[in-house]
Amino acid sequence: EVQLVESGGGLVQPGRSMKLSCAASGFTFSNYGMAWVRQAPTKGLEWVATISYDGSSTYYRDSVKGRFTISRDNAKSTLYLQMNSLRSEDTATYYCTRDEVYYGLLGYFDYWGQGVMVTVSS
Amino acid sequence: DVVMTQTPVSLPVSLGGQASISCRSSQSLVHSNGNTYLHWYLQKPGQSPQLLIYRVSNRFSGVPDRFSGSGSGTDFTLKISRVEPEDLGDYYCLQSTHFPNTFGAGTKLELK
Repeated sequence: EVQLVESGGGLVQPGRSMKLSCAASGFTFSNYGMAWVRQAPTKGLEWVATISYDGSSTYYRDSVKGRFTISRDNAKSTLYLQMNSLRSEDTATYYCTRDEVYYGLLGYFDYWGQGVMVTVSS
Repeated sequence: DVVMTQTPVSLPVSLGGQASISCRSSQSLVHSNGNTYLHWYLQKPGQSPQLLIYRVSNRFSGVPDRFSGSGSGTDFTLKISRVEPEDLGDYYCLQSTHFPNTFGAGTKLELK
């Protein structure tokens, strides 16, 4: 059974940093692209970043480019999202998702974690 | 970015009835490789989104055949027949033909 378990969320002040983790199990992690999708309170879904199966390619939405870094450790089957210079508009539930395409483009997100809440506020 | 417009915003239905959700894109979703990357998700209250349909009309593993997807180009539809209580929630379309991926704003399926 595919499982994705996020951790690392919480309350953080504007301008500070936070790192999310996603522990994957139930599939061969190194064969799949992975992504982060977020959902602000009472809002819709928004793609944040994607990483290819081997970490060689990464993709970001414009609003987080230069502030967020997606990475992975295939030996630990873990996905990360390093978030720097956080803003109030980054407040959201962040979902770890599996991308069914290994290179991280043109795919769909077939499995999702339970999500982790990040609140950016002073 | 490609804008995905879902209608209606809210859809009251009766149990056992049928529902139809529209998703229109601001550009054609036909990729140069000939494939169309339009997908549908359901987010039940308090839960994570779950994949229903991928690439327009393919049901994901375990999804009942009451769910069907159709469409082409810029116009797509998700149909739910014989609506059951577990079908209630927010439905989203997603396009991944063009970078960046973009979701529709969602359609809330609720009881009439």
